[in-house]
Amino acid sequence: QITLRESGPALVKPTQTLTLTCTFSGFSLSTSGVAVGWVRQPPGKALQWLALIYWDDDKRYRPSLKSRLTITKDTSKNQVVLTMTNMDPEDTATYYCAHRKYGSASNAFDIWGQGTMVTVSS
Amino acid sequence: DIQVTQSPSSLSASLGDRVTITCRSNHGIINYLNWYQQKPGQAPKLLIYAASSLQSGVPSRFSGSGSGTDFTLTINNLQPEDFATYYCQQSYGAPPWTFGQGTKVEVK
Repeated sequence: QITLRESGPALVKPTQTLTLTCTFSGFSLSTSGVAVGWVRQPPGKALQWLALIYWDDDKRYRPSLKSRLTITKDTSKNQVVLTMTNMDPEDTATYYCAHRKYGSASNAFDIWGQGTMVTVSS
Repeated sequence: DIQVTQSPSSLSASLGDRVTITCRSNHGIINYLNWYQQKPGQAPKLLIYAASSLQSGVPSRFSGSGSGTDFTLTINNLQPEDFATYYCQQSYGAPPWTFGQGTKVEVK
């Protein structure tokens, strides 16, 4: 059974760096074809795709945020870490990590964490 | 980036109704289109992947169709637990794999 859980600060100040950790179980990020992504959702708004990391350490980012985002993995700890620099109140959102569906070319996210709410405020 | 546009942004329906939500891409995406359901306070749930494949455990009243640039999510015999917001997502080629703006299905 695949599970993912996000963790990180609930409150950050403007200009600070946000670090979120996704801890997962039920799969390995060293297995060919596996990928984990991050999606966020500002309050009352739509989902926004942020970043993705593949088993081979290939990384992809939302173009408008590419300069501020870094995604890394620690295979031994079964974790994926997302950092976002220079946080702004507009980055206030629930942040989700999700598992890309394996064995299908669809690139859908089939399993999601419960999400972690991050508020950016001084 | 490839953009996807959903319509309508919201709709009102009654129990037992058939509901149709559309998603249009500004670029041909073959069948790289997924549908999610999200209820308040919950994470999104995958319903349909690859345009028309039903995710395991999802009721058969949900179906998806389309290819290229135009896609549809259909809910037959709307049930109380189906009142939620639905998102399409294109996942063609290299990321970013963008989401639509969502369609809220409300009680009439």
